[in-house]
Amino acid sequence: GNSVTQMEGPVTLSEEAFLTINCTYTATGYPSLFWYVQYPGEGLQLLLKATKADDKGSNKGFEATYRKETTSFHLEKGSVQVSDSAVYFCALIGGGSNYKLTFGKGTLLTVNP
Amino acid sequence: GAGVSQSPSNKVTEKGKDVELRCDPISGHTALYWYRQSLGQGLEFLIYFQGNSAPDKSGLPSDRFSAERTGGSVSTLTIQRTQQEDSAVYLCASSLRTGEQYFGPGTRLTVT
Repeated sequence: GNSVTQMEGPVTLSEEAFLTINCTYTATGYPSLFWYVQYPGEGLQLLLKATKADDKGSNKGFEATYRKETTSFHLEKGSVQVSDSAVYFCALIGGGSNYKLTFGKGTLLTVNP
Repeated sequence: GAGVSQSPSNKVTEKGKDVELRCDPISGHTALYWYRQSLGQGLEFLIYFQGNSAPDKSGLPSDRFSAERTGGSVSTLTIQRTQQEDSAVYLCASSLRTGEQYFGPGTRLTVT
């Protein structure tokens, strides 16, 4: 079946540091890939997505590139802010389903001023 | 416009009691999903509705769990004879057909 593995946290960075959160996946066919973010006390929000190989999703300064050869979708941001502190989830839809999201376990990011 | 809403936001119940969790999707969204977020298992898919039909119930963990959707809108997730392992945050999402899923704030269920 489908699965998503993302780096375990917590990750603690200083403001303006570079962020990478690794994500790899297992799925048959050509899944769509997503990063969701959960800010403290709030629900899940879609951060960015990519639907085919070599696509780059981007939003709010975050980027992730769909790499089929390495089955990866790593999240990056060049300069994090305190307001980026949240839990980040990598997810996919695919492998025979066009609606069922399979999530990684989440990575807690804390950005200190 | 209004987003997905869920009620109650928090529910504390005694082991063995039944609970009902409600989800109001975004108006016009034909698809509705329930997920569960727990410390041990992370985020898990429970059930998918398209209109009032549930073509995929594969994530429901036991026959104590059931869900229905009426009028192509509101959905209720019912857990009978609750157990401590049912403690989790239950998330509802909706989408246009199988498009981008918009999540509600969740219901935190605590079984004592």
